[in-house]
Parts: sequence; structure tokens; C-alpha cells
Amino acid sequence: RKEVEQDPGPFNVPEGATVAFNCTYSNSASQSFFWYRQDCRKEPKLLMSVYSSGNEDGRFTAQLNRASQYISLLIRDSKLSDSATYLCVVPDSGGGADGLTFGKGTHLIIQP
Amino acid sequence: GAVVSQHPSWVICKSGTSVKIECRSLDFQATTMFWYRQFPKQSLMLMATSNEGSKATYEQGVEKDKFLINHASLTLSTLTVTSAHPEDSSFYICSARDLGDEQYFGPGTRLTVT
Repeated sequence: RKEVEQDPGPFNVPEGATVAFNCTYSNSASQSFFWYRQDCRKEPKLLMSVYSSGNEDGRFTAQLNRASQYISLLIRDSKLSDSATYLCVVPDSGGGADGLTFGKGTHLIIQP
Repeated sequence: GAVVSQHPSWVICKSGTSVKIECRSLDFQATTMFWYRQFPKQSLMLMATSNEGSKATYEQGVEKDKFLINHASLTLSTLTVTSAHPEDSSFYICSARDLGDEQYFGPGTRLTVT
């Protein structure tokens, strides 16, 4: 059974702070990983892809630890607009050719 | 970027009726589309993989006779919820894959069965 586990939160963080979430996965064959952002009652939107040890895009950094089978997402200088649910996503096969297994998401609330 | 649309965006129907949801890739051809379902406070769960011109592949526990999928063209897949019941009320989201591995999600369809 393929599983993706996340701390559901909520994480209440003051604006400007740095926050990090972890995600663990069970499918050791997975080669790529994704972080999606989902706003309330909306579809998920791709935030970052992780294919090797990590990826950085502006204030967002994703890191992959294959040995321990976890992925982390770090958000620096958090903004009010970062408030959302962050979904850790692992393809069912080695890439994205098959369906995706979603974690339940980590709810982040940035407070002014 | 790639755009995927869904129609309708929300629907309310009576128990026992059937509802069809359309998923379209607007600016690319999608040989594979996926259908997901999300219950309140739950994660998205893959229901089925829809391949153009062939039968859909359903995930374990998803009734293929209840959730009919048709992928007749490279830009359109439909999901029909037959004989809907209140427990089928959910947020249904499709995604479409282009030539790469990335999946692009539609805006979702919120189904309420009364």
C-alpha cells in the first residue's frame, strides 16, 4: 500500500517567519516528488517538483532524503498569502506517468 | 501554461439520478487523464486513470459500473456518476497529463446529492 504521511497542523506562524513541514512516503521506488498548494475549495496547484536531493524557488526550498524516505518544504519570510494547505504528492510509479498519491496536507495559517 | 477545464463547477442533484462531469484540456492533447475525489478534510484520492481510446483503469474500491468514464478524444474525458447517492457528494477533480510527466488539474466539480 502506497502511503504519504503529513502532519495536518494547523501551523500558526507569524508573518515573516520561517516554517518547515515534513512528509514521509512508503514507496521506495518513487523517483520524483511534488509539493502542491491547495486553497480552500480550489484545485491543487503545483508549487515545486523534486527530482534529486532538493529544489529551491525563491522563498521555497524542498529537500529530499531518500534514505529516510522523507521530503521537506521550507518557506522563508512567510507572507499572508502563503496561508493554504500544502500537499505532499508522490507518483504511483517512478515518474508522473501514473496517478498521484496525495498526503492529507498540512494546513498553514500565516498571522499578521 | 496548460489549462484544464471542468464542467459543471458545481451541481446539486437528487438521489438516484446520474450526473456527468466533463474534463477538457484546452491547449494541449492529453492521452491520459485522471479522476480524483476529495471528501471534506481528506486528501485527494485517485479514482481512475482514463486513457484515450481504451477502457479506464479503476483504483481498488472504486465501482466501475457506478463511475463511468469515457475518454473519446485527446481533449475530453467524462465521468458519469450513476444512480448518485448522498455519500457520493464530494469534490471531483480531473487532471490531464501532457507529453511530459506533469499533471495539470482542473478546477474541480463540487457534487451535492440530496
